[in-house]
Amino acid sequence: KAGVTQTPRYLIKTRGQQVTLSCSPISGHRSVSWYQQTPGQGLQFLFEYFSETQRNKGNFPGRFSGRQFSNSRSEMNVSTLELGDSALYLCASSLEPGPASPTQYFGPGTRLTVL
Amino acid sequence: ILNVEQSPQSLHVQEGDSTNFTCSFPSSNFYALHWYRWETAKSPEALFVMTLNGDEKKKGRISATLNTKEGYSYLYIKGSQPEDSATYLCAFGGSQGNLIFGKGTKLSVKP
Repeated sequence: KAGVTQTPRYLIKTRGQQVTLSCSPISGHRSVSWYQQTPGQGLQFLFEYFSETQRNKGNFPGRFSGRQFSNSRSEMNVSTLELGDSALYLCASSLEPGPASPTQYFGPGTRLTVL
Repeated sequence: ILNVEQSPQSLHVQEGDSTNFTCSFPSSNFYALHWYRWETAKSPEALFVMTLNGDEKKKGRISATLNTKEGYSYLYIKGSQPEDSATYLCAFGGSQGNLIFGKGTKLSVKP
């Protein structure tokens, strides 16, 4: 079974631009979560999607948005990029969401650099 | 604000040493505690999910315990090997719905 895939793996943008990152979950997984990791910080939760609906959102500004398609693939978008958005963006998929938090399977991440 | 703390931040041990790390989490509204291993240039890999107070899980030389009443979990590695070098993350699953991760413990095992 193929794992979680993320594209692109590396991205360089300049301040003020926007960017779209893509995540394809493991086949059969319907829940996708997105995380941001910056140096010295743990994985910061961005949002979670299930059945094309955003179930949960972390404490990030409205410049960060996402969506999920009917095939469970998910995209996240960051508009008006700032230097501080430079980070590793990870997505993770699970069979379903829920407070019992089933195991999440992570992709390799997209390394975004904002110049 | 829900907080998950891990200690120590980093650890250097010799091959063959046994070691352990701590994860502290909120003791209320608990649903699950996850441990992940994250090797450099790879994706975080799930080790354990624990849901009941007193749970103990084992995978080879790695084991974990859970105390939900006092809000802590220990991860133990017996006879560390160089391939155990990684960052170990714990994550708290509570009524907020999403996982809250600690900053991790970075383990380096010297041959």
